[in-house]
Amino acid sequence: DIVMTQSPDSLAVFLGERATFNCTSSQSVLYSSNNKNYLAWYQQKPGQPPKLLIYWASTRESGVPDRFSGSGSGTDFTLTISSLQAEDVAVYYCQQYYSSPITFGQGTRLEIK
Amino acid sequence: QEQLVESGGGVVQPGRSLRLSCAGSGFTFSRYAMHWARQAPGKGLEWVAVIWSDGSNKDYADSVKGRFTISRDNSKNTLYLQMSTLRAEDTALYYCARGGYCSGASCYLDYWGQGTLVTVSS
Repeated sequence: DIVMTQSPDSLAVFLGERATFNCTSSQSVLYSSNNKNYLAWYQQKPGQPPKLLIYWASTRESGVPDRFSGSGSGTDFTLTISSLQAEDVAVYYCQQYYSSPITFGQGTRLEIK
Repeated sequence: QEQLVESGGGVVQPGRSLRLSCAGSGFTFSRYAMHWARQAPGKGLEWVAVIWSDGSNKDYADSVKGRFTISRDNSKNTLYLQMSTLRAEDTALYYCARGGYCSGASCYLDYWGQGTLVTVSS
């Protein structure tokens, strides 16, 4: 199974500042035939189900604000919130869909400083 | 709009069985692979099972293989999870989710239900 590791476990950022989340996979999730990274990011607010933010490592889901962006390739990935808003308080998860079983990182909790 | 609504959760004794259901609406249910995932209280997300759009293939996490069975009825737009020989460690909020793009059994999950809580306790 591909192990997904996120860092840090928790993050506190001032409103309006940048928040950066890291995700590392135990093996590459880049599929060479199509040059796509099989990596997604989710946001889970308290008491709510996860919400898809990003897929293909950098493609924003419809309706997701453009302050959210994803980057990286191979085994190392980053989710960035360019200017933190109060409604962004949540736990953020990365997930690989390169191979079965799909696996999630342990999550990074984002708080307001 | 797309909606998934789970039901069937509850408190069950260890070793007993329970069947969860997930009703889909607002999209063509039969065109999508469907998944179950779970989240133990205060913990992260764990994928449980997937079933292909036509029900022809299924896959399971090792932690539930041989005990859980995923199925679907496309005529009723409903997904099921039959859980047997339940253990305390199966206690979790169970979500159904729609597969977005899928590579075989591996998909990103583009819509999630609100979840149904399963508590395994004597």
